[in-house]
Amino acid sequence: DTGVSQDPRHKITKRGQNVTFRCDPISEHNRLYWYRQTLGQGPEFLTYFQNEAQLEKSRLLSDRFSAERPKGSFSTLEIQRTEQGDSAMYLCASSLDGGMNTEAFFGQGTRLTVV
Amino acid sequence: AQSVSQHNHHVILSEAASLELGCNYSYGGTVNLFWYVQYPGQHLQLLLKYFSGDPLVKGIKGFEAEFIKSKFSFNLRKPSVQWSDTAEYFCAVRGTGTALIFGKGTTLSVSS
Repeated sequence: DTGVSQDPRHKITKRGQNVTFRCDPISEHNRLYWYRQTLGQGPEFLTYFQNEAQLEKSRLLSDRFSAERPKGSFSTLEIQRTEQGDSAMYLCASSLDGGMNTEAFFGQGTRLTVV
Repeated sequence: AQSVSQHNHHVILSEAASLELGCNYSYGGTVNLFWYVQYPGQHLQLLLKYFSGDPLVKGIKGFEAEFIKSKFSFNLRKPSVQWSDTAEYFCAVRGTGTALIFGKGTTLSVSS
């Protein structure tokens, strides 16, 4: 399967713990996006990378959240001191750098439950 | 700020019925418009997209959507739904920036 891959698929953690998620984009895609989706809502944009540079961050991305894409390939999203409100599906997407006319391909997501 | 509004939260249809899901967006500039579908247990998949040109776009599985600029709308249609179309449907817009802005989604349930 050459699509966007996310790991783990599910994560249950206790409040206050740190968690890290990984995303492997489609290999030739240099843009990578993180979204969060809660029940009854559409995906909400968190942050975006072009190659290894983090170019845009949403106001939703609090100080407890950090994302990296060190070599312009895979990306990690870390949440420190998790809170119950962080429970959500975290989606990764990737696309080619084709200007406006590009489509994003999504992974299956990591479902985080904070207890 | 850009936003997307999907009018129907949950639509229930019988097989062979026609489908129209509403989507309106708020942004006055040039936009890219998308419909994504999420089948149960699967990832978001692109149904169709509008970038420019013919405002009537055709996607996969018999879906189509019409971009009406004056109404800021991009409604999704299918003449005859099947049980396998049961899924959640998301409208999304990209205006300024690169991020997609999604609506809240519409759950479609098709009974056989």
